[in-house]
Amino acid sequence: AQSVTQLGSHVSVSEGALVLLRCNYSSSVPPYLFWYVQYPNQGLQLLLKYTSAATLVKGINGFEAEFKKSETSFHLTKPSAHMSDAAEYFCAVSVGGGKLIFGQGTELSVKP
Amino acid sequence: DTEVTQTPKHLVMGMTNKKSLKCEQHMGHRAMYWYKQKAKKPPELMFVYSYEKLSINESVPSRFSPECPNSSLLNLHLHALQPEDSALYLCASSQPSGETQYFGPGTRLLVL
Repeated sequence: AQSVTQLGSHVSVSEGALVLLRCNYSSSVPPYLFWYVQYPNQGLQLLLKYTSAATLVKGINGFEAEFKKSETSFHLTKPSAHMSDAAEYFCAVSVGGGKLIFGQGTELSVKP
Repeated sequence: DTEVTQTPKHLVMGMTNKKSLKCEQHMGHRAMYWYKQKAKKPPELMFVYSYEKLSINESVPSRFSPECPNSSLLNLHLHALQPEDSALYLCASSQPSGETQYFGPGTRLLVL
């Protein structure tokens, strides 16, 4: 069965510092991979997606993610954190038939 | 326009009440989804509709009854809920392939 692992349920960075949120997936075929962000009391917003067109994917709000097949990873990065980036981040893989497998989520805190 | 709308935003109901959650999208998507999300957890898939027909029911109790009146609307009828059903209920939509799902803002449900 396919699965998604997000390393670290909580990540704290200082404003202006690099953001790195880790995601590893298990898949026997090239997957569709997604990062969603959820701000408090809101729904999920699509940050970016990988659909095999390019291994480095740029998303909204300055985020990007790199697909590394050899490492089965899809880590999310942002060069400089902003206070407004504080939120819950979910990595997900599409397994077909409309099903998404989500990771457990990583809460990002940004310190001033 | 990648907008999915949900009403109401908040709902408080007793265990004997009947209420409905509504979801609407105008992106021409032919797949729509209901998810349940508990605090600090990823969304859990409840139902999938494809071309207005129920295609996935993830063993959800019968006190939750979905309905898809047309390709733009999705309802979730609630009856005799339990306090443990309190959660954020998210609607999403996508093309039938399910590649990319777009989420609504959710309905925060409290069952007393």
